[in-house]
Amino acid sequence: EVQLVESGGGLVQPGGSLRLSCAASGFTFSSYWMSWVRQAPGKGLEWVANIKHDGSEKYCVDSVKGRFTISRDNAKNSVYLQMNSLRAEDTAVYYCARGPTYYDFWSGEKYFDYWGQGTLVTVSS
Amino acid sequence: QPVLTQSSSASASLGSSVRLTCTLSSGHSSYIIAWHQQQPGKAPRYFMKVEGSGTYNKGSGVPDRFSGSSSGAHRYLTISNLQSEDEADYYCETWDSNTHVVFGGGTKLTVL
Repeated sequence: EVQLVESGGGLVQPGGSLRLSCAASGFTFSSYWMSWVRQAPGKGLEWVANIKHDGSEKYCVDSVKGRFTISRDNAKNSVYLQMNSLRAEDTAVYYCARGPTYYDFWSGEKYFDYWGQGTLVTVSS
Repeated sequence: QPVLTQSSSASASLGSSVRLTCTLSSGHSSYIIAWHQQQPGKAPRYFMKVEGSGTYNKGSGVPDRFSGSSSGAHRYLTISNLQSEDEADYYCETWDSNTHVVFGGGTKLTVL
């Protein structure tokens, strides 16, 4: 059974830092793109960042460039989101999501097929 | 970069059918999209992918009442025999050529 379990959320002051983790199980983690998606209170889904199966490519939304960094450790079946210089507008539930395999990516089959339960990040003084 | 457009809300009666629409912006009508359901207070759940040809593949455990289809730039999610547990937000998703991910604004489905 595929499982994605996020952790690391909490309350942080503006300008502070937080590191989110997502522990994966039930599939060959090293074969998949992984992503972070967030949802501000009462709002829709917003993609935050992607990382290729081997960590060699990373992409993120413009609003977090230079502040957030996605990384992964395939030996630990985990993906991370380092969040620095946090702002009030970063307040959201952050979800880990599984993307395509490297094969599906090149064949155009790009979409999320599993989600974690989310972890809440609150940026407030 | 593609833009996905969804109606903000939809409603239908218990036991009836409803079709939700996700429209791809100009120049992106061939893109695959995925539908995700988010029940109140829960995480999103992958429901199905829909191709430009109309072919769709559902996620594990998605009831037979749910189906997908396509027409031009429009991607559809149809729910038959609507149940109370179908009341949820439904989002469509696609990836652009720069490996950025785009979501539609979501449709809030109300079961009357």
